[in-house]
Amino acid sequence: GNSVTQMEGPVTLSEEAFLTINCTYTATGYPSLFWYVQYPGEGLQLLLKATKADDKGSNKGFEATYRKETTSFHLEKGSVQVSDSAVYFCALSDRKAGGTSYGKLTFGQGTILTVHP
Amino acid sequence: ETGVTQTPRHLVMGMTNKKSLKCEQHLGHNAMYWYKQSAKKPLELMFVYSLEERVENNSVPSRFSPECPNSSHLFLHLHTLQPEDSALYLCASSPSTGNNSPLHFGNGTRLTVT
Repeated sequence: GNSVTQMEGPVTLSEEAFLTINCTYTATGYPSLFWYVQYPGEGLQLLLKATKADDKGSNKGFEATYRKETTSFHLEKGSVQVSDSAVYFCALSDRKAGGTSYGKLTFGQGTILTVHP
Repeated sequence: ETGVTQTPRHLVMGMTNKKSLKCEQHLGHNAMYWYKQSAKKPLELMFVYSLEERVENNSVPSRFSPECPNSSHLFLHLHTLQPEDSALYLCASSPSTGNNSPLHFGNGTRLTVT
């Protein structure tokens, strides 16, 4: 079956530090990969996505590259801000050849990020 | 205003109560979803509706009953819940059910079962 594994949190950084949150996946078909972010008291928001191998998703200074050879989709940001404090979820949507996935996302367990001034 | 609106934001109910969660999307999407978010567990997909037809029921207990009267509205009817059902229930929508179609989430209903 499909699965997503994220690095254990919580992650605590100082402002302007470099961020990496690791994500690896297992999928049986042709997955698209996503990073979602959840700010306190809110639902999840799509941060970025990549739909095929070697694609790079980017948004708000965050980047992640779809690495099929290592089945990874690590999230990076060069300089974090206090406002980046949130929970980050890696997810995949798998589609077997000739089929659909009905938007069925498989999520990782989430990584809490706290950025201090 | 978020494109996906959930009400109520918070709900406390006893195990013998009957209540309903409501979700409305203003994005013109064709698919809607219920997810359950429990502490320290990955999000769990509960139900998927595509054009008002249920296309997935992810082994959810019958005490949770979804209803999708049209493509803009989704309900989750609750009855005789258990304390372990306490969680954040998230509604989401997407333009279609293709795997590249990202989900748009509401802010969730925080449910506490006493």
